[in-house]
Amino acid sequence: EAGVTQFPSHSVIEKGQTVTLRCDPISGHDNLYWYRRVMGKEIKFLLHFVKESKQDESGMPNNRFLAERTGGTYSTLKVQPAELEDSGVYFCASSQWQGAYEQFFGPGTRLTVL
Amino acid sequence: DQQVKQNSPSLSVQEGRISILNCDYTNSMFDYFLWYKKYPAEGPTFLISISSIKDKNEDGRFTVFLNKSAKHLSLHIVPSQPGDSAVYFCAATRFGNEKLTFGTGTRLTIIP
Repeated sequence: EAGVTQFPSHSVIEKGQTVTLRCDPISGHDNLYWYRRVMGKEIKFLLHFVKESKQDESGMPNNRFLAERTGGTYSTLKVQPAELEDSGVYFCASSQWQGAYEQFFGPGTRLTVL
Repeated sequence: DQQVKQNSPSLSVQEGRISILNCDYTNSMFDYFLWYKKYPAEGPTFLISISSIKDKNEDGRFTVFLNKSAKHLSLHIVPSQPGDSAVYFCAATRFGNEKLTFGTGTRLTIIP
């Protein structure tokens, strides 16, 4: 069974540009999460999808971040326009059903904003 | 304000000895705790968890202890092996809420 995949693995962009990160969860997993780790700090929750609906987006930093999950399958996280402080590693995770606290993480996308 | 704290950024342990990683939390509403292990260039991998109704949970070489009154948990690895070298994250959540709150991680190095 394939794990959570993320694309791209690395992205380097200029301040003010737009970047879109993609996550493919484990097949059959209804729950999808986005997290971010900045500069060796803690891994911070961004948002949680149940199928195509946003269950909790309390961790989204501001309106420059837009997450979507079309048809309840893969998800995208768009940052527009990117700022220097957006640099970090963006992790996606999935779990099969609500109440399954053990989440399966992807390898992350390292975003560098110059 | 950090609700989950791992105050030791790094730890070195001799192979075969016990590794003890510590974690403190401030939010008394947390009632489920997890440990994740992370290798470089990979995502965190679930290791072991514990519910607040227990004070100990074992899985092979890994044991997690929870002290609710002290808001403290620890992960014991016995015996430590070279493959255990990784960054370990403590995480906490509340039943009914799958949002995980993580600590900053502890880098464990096992010395052969």
